[in-house]
Amino acid sequence: AQTVTQSQPEMSVQEAETVTLSCTYDTSESNYYLFWYKQPPSRQMILVIRQEAYKQQNATENRFSVNFQKAAKSFSLKISDSQLGDTAMYFCARGENNAGNMLTFGGGTRLMVKP
Amino acid sequence: GAGVSQSPSNKVTEKGKDVELRCDPISGHTALYWYRQSLGQGLEFLIYFQGNSAPDKSGLPSDRFSAERTGGSVSTLTIQRTQQEDSAVYLCASSLGGSGGGTQYFGPGTRLLVL
Repeated sequence: AQTVTQSQPEMSVQEAETVTLSCTYDTSESNYYLFWYKQPPSRQMILVIRQEAYKQQNATENRFSVNFQKAAKSFSLKISDSQLGDTAMYFCARGENNAGNMLTFGGGTRLMVKP
Repeated sequence: GAGVSQSPSNKVTEKGKDVELRCDPISGHTALYWYRQSLGQGLEFLIYFQGNSAPDKSGLPSDRFSAERTGGSVSTLTIQRTQQEDSAVYLCASSLGGSGGGTQYFGPGTRLLVL
């Protein structure tokens, strides 16, 4: 099975500091997409950031940015100036265009931002 | 505008009973996905609808699971003769289309507990 792996089950960071969450994936496709979703205790999955595999430029969304290393099949998420509201489960996911873009998720990283 | 809604929020049932879970996607979204989130299996794809095409049922774990989408909008996931291992959060997501890496927007999920 083609998988998505998040090697850090839990992480913590002090408020205002920077944290990086790791993700590696496997795919044989050339046309795919990568996502980071956040799931707070409310259970609602919220899109954090999205990356098209054909784009070399790393995606950024305000305090969130990715380091996309296509050859290494690595897609890490950097959160700058961490805020208490960033406390949540974070899931890395891959969608493949020829498969209806259904998402394959990693196991998740539980992030705790400490005051 | 309104997001993806799911009902009920929580469902407790007895082993052997049938349950129906409902998903209302975002208006205009042609693609609809069901995922299951459980402690043991993480987040896994169940079924995918795209417009009027035949659904992709490749993720359904057994023939006790079925889903339909009426009028290209509302979807119902039915689990027959529920088992304790069916206990999980069932998430629905919709997107503008099933290709092109469109962002999937998730509902709040239905937490199912089978006693």
